[in-house]
Amino acid sequence: DAGITQSPRHKVTETGTPVTLRCHQTENHRYMYWYRQDPGHGLRLIHYSYGVKDTDKGEVSDGYSVSRSKTEDFLLTLESATSSQTSVYFCAIARVPNNEQFFGPGTRLTVL
Amino acid sequence: QQQVKQSPQSLIVQKGGISIINCAYENTAFDYFPWYQQFPGKGPALLIAIRPDVSEKKEGRFTISFNKSAKQFSLHIMDSQPGDSATYFCAASFNTGTASKLTFGTGTRLQVTL
Repeated sequence: DAGITQSPRHKVTETGTPVTLRCHQTENHRYMYWYRQDPGHGLRLIHYSYGVKDTDKGEVSDGYSVSRSKTEDFLLTLESATSSQTSVYFCAIARVPNNEQFFGPGTRLTVL
Repeated sequence: QQQVKQSPQSLIVQKGGISIINCAYENTAFDYFPWYQQFPGKGPALLIAIRPDVSEKKEGRFTISFNKSAKQFSLHIMDSQPGDSATYFCAASFNTGTASKLTFGTGTRLQVTL
């Protein structure tokens, strides 16, 4: 599992509340990614990080922000959750650019 | 805009048969093509990957065939087993200059029957 943990693993929240998901890695990888997985869409990139405090947007970044203050932690924040953000969120790491990405176990988020 | 198209959406194969999943891409900047296997409730796991300078890569019962001119690649699972029943995703990657970004297909749910 490439030393990746995600927390929480499950969360139910209400529309309009802030939510933060955490991805933690133990192997000092430089590159970290957040994806969401929805039926019929596969996995879509939300944001990614190429170093501490270095982040960039993916294809579905609206409504999401990220932070990376330490190599091992990559946080995904929904400032004001909406029902359309109900999804399964996966974190991934890569050891070098243009190389394999390894995924965490996922967080199932339900926004009521 | 979906840049990686995957088919079929679902597939039923008998034990011992060959499972074939196809993907097509549009962006010629893609330079790395992995396949992921995902079981229910788990994260995707890297299965096999290929770069466009080779036309085929084989690892055990899993083979990727790559056709650069047609911008297509496929996964073949030989001697399919019930334990192979899972959802399979193709993906394509390109380097932005700061990191590599994966674009995924929509997935194929494979069921291997006895």
